[in-house]
Amino acid sequence: DAGVIQSPRHEVTEMGQEVTLRCKPISGHDYLFWYRQTMMRGLELLIYFNNNVPIDDSGMPEDRFSAKMPNASFSTLKIQPSEPRDSAVYFCASSLSSNQPQHFGDGTRLSIL
Amino acid sequence: QKEVEQDPGPLSVPEGAIVSLNCTYSNSAFQYFMWYRQYSRKGPELLMYTYSSGNKEDGRFTAQVDKSSKYISLFIRDSQPSDSATYLCAILRGSGSQGNLIFGKGTKLSVKP
Repeated sequence: DAGVIQSPRHEVTEMGQEVTLRCKPISGHDYLFWYRQTMMRGLELLIYFNNNVPIDDSGMPEDRFSAKMPNASFSTLKIQPSEPRDSAVYFCASSLSSNQPQHFGDGTRLSIL
Repeated sequence: QKEVEQDPGPLSVPEGAIVSLNCTYSNSAFQYFMWYRQYSRKGPELLMYTYSSGNKEDGRFTAQVDKSSKYISLFIRDSQPSDSATYLCAILRGSGSQGNLIFGKGTKLSVKP
């Protein structure tokens, strides 16, 4: 299996620009999660989907962040407008069901200048 | 008190040493406990998954849960340089809902040859 695939691996952009992060979950996995990892706060859950439907977005920091899952094999996390404090590593993970372990992608390292 | 606390280290040991990694948690209702390993510039990968109290062994790795003390541990026997990584504990906050997975900040381990 190819695992969870995220793109791009690195993104450097200027403050105020729109940023779109992409994720392809493992085929057959019903749950998809977006996390953000920083040194200060560790790994934080932003939002998760079950069968393409957003279930809990309470971790999304503010309205500048949005996430979509138009189909079972693709999800996006968008930041508009981006700010320097959004700089972090963003991970996508998927799991087969609610009681199965989460499998992570290798993340997108985002730098906002 | 934070829901999950983990000493960030760093921890440096010689090859062959026994390593002990620990987390404490605040809610005695938590039942599912996990350890993830994260190599540099990679996503976390699941190492161990335990339910309730007791020990679980997998090769050189042993996960231990002490619910009375709200304390979880990961032991690594005969540590190898390839074990050098950040180790994150994770706890399922609810019952069966992966969306409630909360992570410690991780302990960075370095095993010197």
